Amino acid sequence: AQRVTQPEKLLSVFKGAPVELKCNYSYSGSPELFWYVQYSRQRLQLLLRHISRESIKGFTADLNKGETSFHLKKPFAQEEDSAMYYCALSGPESGGSYIPTFGRGTSLIVHP
Amino acid sequence: IAGITQAPTSQILAAGRRMTLRCTQDMRHNAMYWYRQDLGLGLRLIHYSNTAGTTGKGEVPDGYSVSRANTDDFPLTLASAVPSQTSVYFCASSDAGGRSDTQYFGPGTRLTVL
Repeated sequence: AQRVTQPEKLLSVFKGAPVELKCNYSYSGSPELFWYVQYSRQRLQLLLRHISRESIKGFTADLNKGETSFHLKKPFAQEEDSAMYYCALSGPESGGSYIPTFGRGTSLIVHP
Repeated sequence: IAGITQAPTSQILAAGRRMTLRCTQDMRHNAMYWYRQDLGLGLRLIHYSNTAGTTGKGEVPDGYSVSRANTDDFPLTLASAVPSQTSVYFCASSDAGGRSDTQYFGPGTRLTVL
């Protein structure tokens, strides 16, 4: 069965420090992975997805199939990065649609 | 364009009462989803709908029901609320439920069952 694991419930860093939010997955097929973010008092929104290979707000994430990981990284954290981050996997397929699976989330706190 | 809306914003409900959470989207998305968000447990899928007229069970469907009479609306009903259903509920939609589709979320409904 597919699974997304975010081992850290909470990650606390100081402004300017590097950040890495970990995400590991298990999936039998070729995975499609996403990072979603929820800022305080806002709705969840897409941050980035691996297929786009983009950098959003300074964040990047590389899919490592050998380690089955999709860690989210940023070289220099900013206070406005404080939020809840969810890693998500697209799958399995059911009735023509792909059912998403989310991790439990990591709360990032960036101190001034 | 409103995107995806939910109502009510919050609700306090007595145990045993029936409650329907409303979700409406104006993006003409085929796929819609209901999640509950609990501290330490993250987002868990309750029910989903691939297209109007079809629904499916997610990870935690017990105690909840949904219907999808049309493309825009996807209400979630608690037939007889229990305190363990206290949570924040998010509705989401995606274009076609495809592998690469982005999920668009509503603002959430905070439900407290006493």
